[in-house]
Amino acid sequence: GAVVSQHPSWVICKSGTSVKIECRSLDFQATTMFWYRQFPKQSLMLMATSNEGSKATYEQGVEKDKFLINHASLTLSTLTVTSAHPEDSSFYICSARAASGSADTQYFGPGTRLTVL
Amino acid sequence: KQEVTQIPAALSVPEGENLVLNCSFTDSAIYNLQWFRQDPGKGLTSLLLIQSSQREQTSGRLNASLDKSSGRSTLYIAASQPGDSATYLCAVYPGGYQKVTFGTGTKLQVIP
Repeated sequence: GAVVSQHPSWVICKSGTSVKIECRSLDFQATTMFWYRQFPKQSLMLMATSNEGSKATYEQGVEKDKFLINHASLTLSTLTVTSAHPEDSSFYICSARAASGSADTQYFGPGTRLTVL
Repeated sequence: KQEVTQIPAALSVPEGENLVLNCSFTDSAIYNLQWFRQDPGKGLTSLLLIQSSQREQTSGRLNASLDKSSGRSTLYIAASQPGDSATYLCAVYPGGYQKVTFGTGTKLQVIP
């Protein structure tokens, strides 16, 4: 089945540093990848949609200069949290939509827990 | 704007009970609906995907139904087990490869 990986699975960083999270589709090509954020005891909120080779589309209220998204290939998207602050601490989950097939479904990564001290 | 609500928000049942989780959505023009489970601190595990032409899907002790006209989906869990304890999320696909909307989640606890 379709597998999506994320790296790292968890990261702790100091306030003011930047953190990069990778999302990879391991056995399929993903023309579109999505980045979600999940606060404790809450559901997933879509942050942005990224299409391979083009700029990401950010949801309302998401700072594009703070959450940099790059979708350089059909199997890799990265989310960089720039100048991280404690309020950026959260669980970040990516998903990937397959490039072909009639069923519209997304395959989700295992998530990355970011803790900013 | 699509809104997806799950009731109840939390549920505690004794082991062996059959139970139903509910998912309601405001815009019935959806394409697919998917149920996930999420264990604490973990990512999402897909349980069942109901495509637009289907009304239900079954996998083992799980059965999910979809009634688009009424804006509802239910996830039925038979003979619940402590290992079923998790948060269950439904997700609505609007079609046209637009963004997915997640429900508010139901936290299930199955007591041995």
